[in-house]
Amino acid sequence: SQKIEQNSEALNIQEGKTATLTCNYTNYSPAYLQWYRQDPGRGPVFLLLIRENEKEKRKERLKVTFDTTLKQSLFHITASQPADSATYLCALAGDYGQNFVFGPGTRLSVLP
Amino acid sequence: DTGVSQDPRHKITKRGQNVTFRCDPISEHNRLYWYRQTLGQGPEFLTYFQNEAQLEKSRLLSDRFSAERPKGSFSTLEIQRTEQGDSAMYLCASSPRPGGEQFFGPGTRLTVL
Repeated sequence: SQKIEQNSEALNIQEGKTATLTCNYTNYSPAYLQWYRQDPGRGPVFLLLIRENEKEKRKERLKVTFDTTLKQSLFHITASQPADSATYLCALAGDYGQNFVFGPGTRLSVLP
Repeated sequence: DTGVSQDPRHKITKRGQNVTFRCDPISEHNRLYWYRQTLGQGPEFLTYFQNEAQLEKSRLLSDRFSAERPKGSFSTLEIQRTEQGDSAMYLCASSPRPGGEQFFGPGTRLTVL
């Protein structure tokens, strides 16, 4: 069955450093991979989308890579700030983009 | 505010009762998703609509769950004969394109006593 793993439940980093979050998947060939941010008690907020034929996407301080050979996506936040503290979720979908499978999330804490 | 809205925000019910939740997506989005999320987990896909057609439904979804999207606008999710294991946050999201970014509502938190 499809399985998505995200590195560690929690990640603590110092302000100003680069946070790197990992999303690994098995038994799946996603056409779409998305990253979301979720704050406690709120719905997820979309951050970035990358397609299977793309290697890298950037948006301001955010960067996502997608390696279909390794079956892995990396999500980077550069110059991290305490306001970046949240849970980050990866989500994968097949060709039709109809059924998204979410990972369990990584809780990031950026310490001042 | 033109975001996704959900109603109610909180629902407490007794085991065995039926509950219904409503989702109003962003008006120009024809794709609508329902998810369930429990503490410490990512959202779990329940069902997907394109306009009024329910095109996909999770195989894990009990037949106590049913969803509709009449006229391709708002959607409802009904849970019949609720069980304590149904306690969770129910999230709705809409999207303008296949595989595109999803805009989530604030969720409905269900507690089954």
